[in-house]
Amino acid sequence: EIVLTQSPGTLSLSPGERATLSCRASQSVNSSYLAWYQQKPGQAPRLLIYGASSRATGIPDRFSGSGSGTDFTLTISRLEPEDFAVYYCQQSTFGGGTKVEIK
Amino acid sequence: EVQLVESGGGLVQPGGSLRLSCAASGFTFSRYWMHWVRQAPGKGLVWVSRINSDGSSTSYADSVKGRFTISRDNAKNTLYLQMNSLRAEDTAVYYCARVFTGNAFDIWGQGTMVTVSS
Repeated sequence: EIVLTQSPGTLSLSPGERATLSCRASQSVNSSYLAWYQQKPGQAPRLLIYGASSRATGIPDRFSGSGSGTDFTLTISRLEPEDFAVYYCQQSTFGGGTKVEIK
Repeated sequence: EVQLVESGGGLVQPGGSLRLSCAASGFTFSRYWMHWVRQAPGKGLVWVSRINSDGSSTSYADSVKGRFTISRDNAKNTLYLQMNSLRAEDTAVYYCARVFTGNAFDIWGQGTMVTVSS
């Protein structure tokens, strides 16, 4: 079973700053199967990125995904107030999540 | 509107059973693979089970294998999760989700809470 490790566990940033979230797989994965989700308290997750780098419908272009093999990155170019949330990467299983909190 | 609506959660004693349902609307349910994902209070997302579009193939997380059964009724546009021999560690919000492409889940239900406690 592939294990996904996300880092950091918590990211403290201010609105307008750039956020870089990492997802590392225990073995090489097919990029076509790497997705990122955003989850806010009390809500279901929302698909942001699929196929490692394709934005889902309606997702702003400040969100971007990159990577291949075992290392993947979700970047939020300029944090908006509504972006403070928990982010998960997923292949078949899910990573442990990164919380992006207001500094 | 494309949506998934879960139901069937509640409080159950350890060793008990529960059946969750996920009603789909706004899309051709029979064309899509479906999954169940759970989230214990304050914890992360955990994949539970998946079923292919016609119900002929299923897969389970090791933690639920032999206790949970996923199924679907394409005529009723409904996904199910039969949960037997429930344990305290099964306490979680259970989400159903639709596969978009690859293994990405583009549509999620609102979740239904399952509490296993005496």
